[in-house]
Amino acid sequence: DQQVKQNSPSLSVQEGRISILNCDYTNSMFDYFLWYKKYPAEGPTFLISISSIKDKNEDGRFTVFLNKSAKHLSLHIVPSQPGDSAVYFCAARTFAGNTGKLIFGQGTTLQVKP
Amino acid sequence: DAGITQSPRHKVTETGTPVTLRCHQTENHRYMYWYRQDPGHGLRLIHYSYGVKDTDKGEVSDGYSVSRSKTEDFLLTLESATSSQTSVYFCAIRQGSNTEAFFGQGTRLTVV
Repeated sequence: DQQVKQNSPSLSVQEGRISILNCDYTNSMFDYFLWYKKYPAEGPTFLISISSIKDKNEDGRFTVFLNKSAKHLSLHIVPSQPGDSAVYFCAARTFAGNTGKLIFGQGTTLQVKP
Repeated sequence: DAGITQSPRHKVTETGTPVTLRCHQTENHRYMYWYRQDPGHGLRLIHYSYGVKDTDKGEVSDGYSVSRSKTEDFLLTLESATSSQTSVYFCAIRQGSNTEAFFGQGTRLTVV
């Protein structure tokens, strides 16, 4: 049972435009969400996070939106740059028992065309 | 760099042989994780640890065991490797419950 789902395997956008990556989750115990970027042959690197008590967090060109009622979060990249081309993973944490379990989605491959 | 090292980086092994992957950190972080990455499945949690000798199963723990006898090392063992365990394995570390996780460079394991 996939608790964190990224239903779009790939996304292609033009340089300078907005990229929107989506993520859905099913577990209402998730209380902290993160986005990671991964280049080929490298480990994932942290991008941005959001706590469940917020609905928006912004860091430069990256903004994460959280809609708890819909169990949905999205990552907006504005403006998109060719260097943003990578696989993006969303992740969610369950706080139950403070064991810090971190669950990832399947990933979305973003291609930004020059 | 987050001070996390995975070894080996690449390994080819035969079906039925035991394999141990090592994750070493110099950050004194509490949480450590083992994930595998496969096409179409993203990053799936195998096992994780929330302290020395404190470990728990993840989503795909069958066929894997782990040990954490000291803070800095988290070992992943495949008791009897199978071809379905061919994958890229990532270790991650995390200091606290509201912090991000840092990943190692990965270990590419091929079981033939």
